[in-house]
Amino acid sequence: GENVEQHPSTLSVQEGDSAVIKCTYSDSASNYFPWYKQELGKGPQLIIDIRSNVGEKKDQRIAVTLNKTAKHFSLHITETQPEDSAVYFCAASTDSWGKLQFGAGTQVVVTP
Amino acid sequence: EPEVTQTPSHQVTQMGQEVILRCVPISNHLYFYWYRQILGQKVEFLVSFYNNEISEKSEIFDDQFSVERPDGSNFTLKIRSTKLEDSAMYFCASSELTGAGGELFFGEGSRLTVL
Repeated sequence: GENVEQHPSTLSVQEGDSAVIKCTYSDSASNYFPWYKQELGKGPQLIIDIRSNVGEKKDQRIAVTLNKTAKHFSLHITETQPEDSAVYFCAASTDSWGKLQFGAGTQVVVTP
Repeated sequence: EPEVTQTPSHQVTQMGQEVILRCVPISNHLYFYWYRQILGQKVEFLVSFYNNEISEKSEIFDDQFSVERPDGSNFTLKIRSTKLEDSAMYFCASSELTGAGGELFFGEGSRLTVL
């Protein structure tokens, strides 16, 4: 089955700097790669996703890149703000029934 | 903004007891899911549900687990006889579509503590 590895497990950045989180996946059939943000006491919330026919997608300060050949995808947050502090999860999925395989998560701390 | 709601937010139970976790998915969504997250571990898929039947389930979802949509709005997860290792945060999710087209919306979770 699919296995998703995520690095780093923790990331501390200065406000205004960029943050990058990287994930690799094992199943070449995976074609959907969402990123979730989880704040304390809340459920995961989708922040951006990318499908296998696209190499890069951007939404304001957040961007995701996908390299299908190397089976890795990354989340980039630019101009970080304190409210970006949260746990970020990458995930991968094939066309199966909403079965997301999650990475272990990255605790991002943005310090003022 | 529509959201997935879960109750209870926290439940403490004795080993061997039955537990029912409840979820109200987003109203126009057709696909429903349960995931769980044991403390310090990955979020894991348990089961997906569509058209009043299970679409897919993981190895975790054994005979102790069941899901039901008892009416037009609720979606429940039942654990028949809880074990210590069932202690986790359980997340319900729903989507309008499935597969690579369907964004999953998660609830805030129900924390289950088995003593």
